[in-house]
Amino acid sequence: VIWMTQSPSLLSASTGDRVTISCRMSQGISSYLAWYQQKPGKAPELLIYAASTLQSGVPSRFSGSGSGTDFTLTISCLQSEDFATYYCQQYYSFPRTFGQGTKVEIK
Amino acid sequence: EVQLVESGGGLVQPGGSLRLSCAASGFTFSSYWMSWVRQAPGKGLEWVANIKQDGSEKYYVDSVKGRFTISRDNAKNSLYLQMNSLRAEDTAVYYCAREGLGWPTDYWGQGTLVTVSS
Repeated sequence: VIWMTQSPSLLSASTGDRVTISCRMSQGISSYLAWYQQKPGKAPELLIYAASTLQSGVPSRFSGSGSGTDFTLTISCLQSEDFATYYCQQYYSFPRTFGQGTKVEIK
Repeated sequence: EVQLVESGGGLVQPGGSLRLSCAASGFTFSSYWMSWVRQAPGKGLEWVANIKQDGSEKYYVDSVKGRFTISRDNAKNSLYLQMNSLRAEDTAVYYCAREGLGWPTDYWGQGTLVTVSS
């Protein structure tokens, strides 16, 4: 099983801020990493896959980087609709695993 | 448009059974791996199980092995999760999701709530 450490668990920020979320793997996964956004009462939505490829329709203020064991999600200029919970997921091996989640809240 | 619609959730006693279903549309169901992901109230996401296109390979998270069985019917564009020996810690919203080998979970249903309680 590949374990994931996502940090921080809670991030307080203001509209317009640049925010960064980290995800660290217990072993290398090449670039088989995805990022999801989830809003209360809704299913998660895919933002980024292959560590840095933006899913169709996702705003360009979202970006991803990293490979191997260390990955980062960056939101360059936080908008009101970005306040949500974000999860990383590795799809390198089964069972697939998710990070613990990062809630981005209004400061 | 890809659509995944879960059904079958509800209240069940500890030790009981429940079968979840997921109706898929808007894509060629038989061409994709499919999975179940759950989320306990106020908690994070947990991948539960997945199944290959033809049903020949199945994988489970350790906590459900021997109790849950994933299956599919490509003729009916449907995915199933048979849950036996249910425990309180299985209480969660269960999402049906599409994925692929070397491909992330890209579409999710709206979820169905399973509550295990006496």
